[in-house]
Amino acid sequence: GQQLNQSPQSMFIQEGEDVSMNCTSSSIFNTWLWYKQDPGEGPVLLIALYKAGELTSNGRLTAQFGITRKDSFLNISASIPSDVGIYFCARNSGGSNYKLTFGKGTLLTVNP
Amino acid sequence: NAGVTQTPKFQVLKTGQSMTLQCAQDMNHEYMSWYRQDPGMGLRLIHYSVGAGITDQGEVPNGYNVSRSTTEDFPLRLLSAAPSQTSVYFCASSGQGFSPLHFGNGTRLTVT
Repeated sequence: GQQLNQSPQSMFIQEGEDVSMNCTSSSIFNTWLWYKQDPGEGPVLLIALYKAGELTSNGRLTAQFGITRKDSFLNISASIPSDVGIYFCARNSGGSNYKLTFGKGTLLTVNP
Repeated sequence: NAGVTQTPKFQVLKTGQSMTLQCAQDMNHEYMSWYRQDPGMGLRLIHYSVGAGITDQGEVPNGYNVSRSTTEDFPLRLLSAAPSQTSVYFCASSGQGFSPLHFGNGTRLTVT
């Protein structure tokens, strides 16, 4: 399959700091999705991006679809303890979101 | 709404035993899928279904069987468990087009 390279693998930050993580691929994609997984739960969709250059916000989260269509980043501003979890980028296959390929995830730890 | 319900939450098997992981959704979603999550590997697609009576293989299908006799249910069968199948298994469902993938809370399986 086509791999998604997600970095960093893990981050340890202080509450209130901003966070940035990214995902790259050697292939062009039409969709970038960002998911968050809380401990002991399934992933939940945070932001979906469908257009090159698109910049989308969801509260303190902002994600962008790279103009080359080969990368995406996710920023979290003013982190809080409940931001702890694993963040995954993902891309879909074809024209729907039921068949996804995931990056390996970024584990975020927030120290209060 | 219950969303996607997975049972059991935890299971321990001996090598060679068989079992079925249950998954049910109450959102009338057409699409259902199974993923496994291993440390540092992200989520990988095992099998998926685009409707009742239709299933197909994902990235890592070997050792698993599925069937979809109703819209609501999508069980995953391990015919002869192996230690390599120790993992956390997630079932997910989605509606048509770009509707998001909804995940259950997972089944943590250990094969000794």
